[in-house]
Amino acid sequence: KAGVTQTPRYLIKTRGQQVTLSCSPISGHRSVSWYQQTPGQGLQFLFEYFSETQRNKGNFPGRFSGRQFSNSRSEMNVSTLELGDSALYLCASSLGRFDYTDTQYFGPGTRLTVL
Amino acid sequence: QKEVEQNSGPLSVPEGAIASLNCTYSDRVSQSFFWYRQYSGKSPELIMSIYSNGDKEDGRFTAQLNKASQYVSLLIRDSQPSDSATYLCALRGSTLGRLYFGRGTQLTVWP
Repeated sequence: KAGVTQTPRYLIKTRGQQVTLSCSPISGHRSVSWYQQTPGQGLQFLFEYFSETQRNKGNFPGRFSGRQFSNSRSEMNVSTLELGDSALYLCASSLGRFDYTDTQYFGPGTRLTVL
Repeated sequence: QKEVEQNSGPLSVPEGAIASLNCTYSDRVSQSFFWYRQYSGKSPELIMSIYSNGDKEDGRFTAQLNKASQYVSLLIRDSQPSDSATYLCALRGSTLGRLYFGRGTQLTVWP
C-alpha cells in the first residue's frame, strides 16, 4: 500500500506571496493532519481534517488554512508569506477512527523556504 | 495545553549499549502514546505505540508506560549507529485526532 505523498517536496517563495501544499493520504485513511516543523519550535500542530471537515485546529494565524476533498486528499494554504514561515510542513494521515488507537503516518514533507 | 516533556539530550551511547529515552506528560487522561523516529532531513516514522501500563517489546525496542507516574519511555537494546536520530514522544489526550508531541531527544550511537 502506498504511503502518504506530499507535493511539492521543495518550494521557494518570496515574502508576501501565497503557497498551496498538497497531501494524499494512505488509501482508506480519512483523517489528515498538518504540522509545521522548525528547529526552534519543534513539531507544531496546524489542523486536522476528517471527512472534509476541520476537526481540530492549532494556534496559528488565519493566514494558514486548509481543506479536504471528498477523496480525502488535503491542501493547506499559506497567504502573505513571512520569513518565519520557512519550515518543513508535514502531513500525516490516519484512519480517523474515534478510537485512541488511531495511528498517524507521516508523509515526506514539503520544505518551504521564504526569501 | 498538554505538556509533553522529553529528556533534552543530546544523548550519546556506544554501539551495543542500551539507550534510554524518557518522556513525561501533564494530562492524566492521556490514553495513547507513540514513539516516532526522525532522521535528519526526513519525516517522522512510527516506531511503537503503547496504550496500557507495563512494557511492550518489538525487536530491540521496548516501550514502557506508567500512567500513575505519567511517564513513558523507550529503551533501545544493542544500539546501532543506524539508530542515531531524533526520537519524538507523542500522546493523544481526550480530544480525538489531535497528537501532542515533545520536542524530541537526539540520540547518537557511536561505533
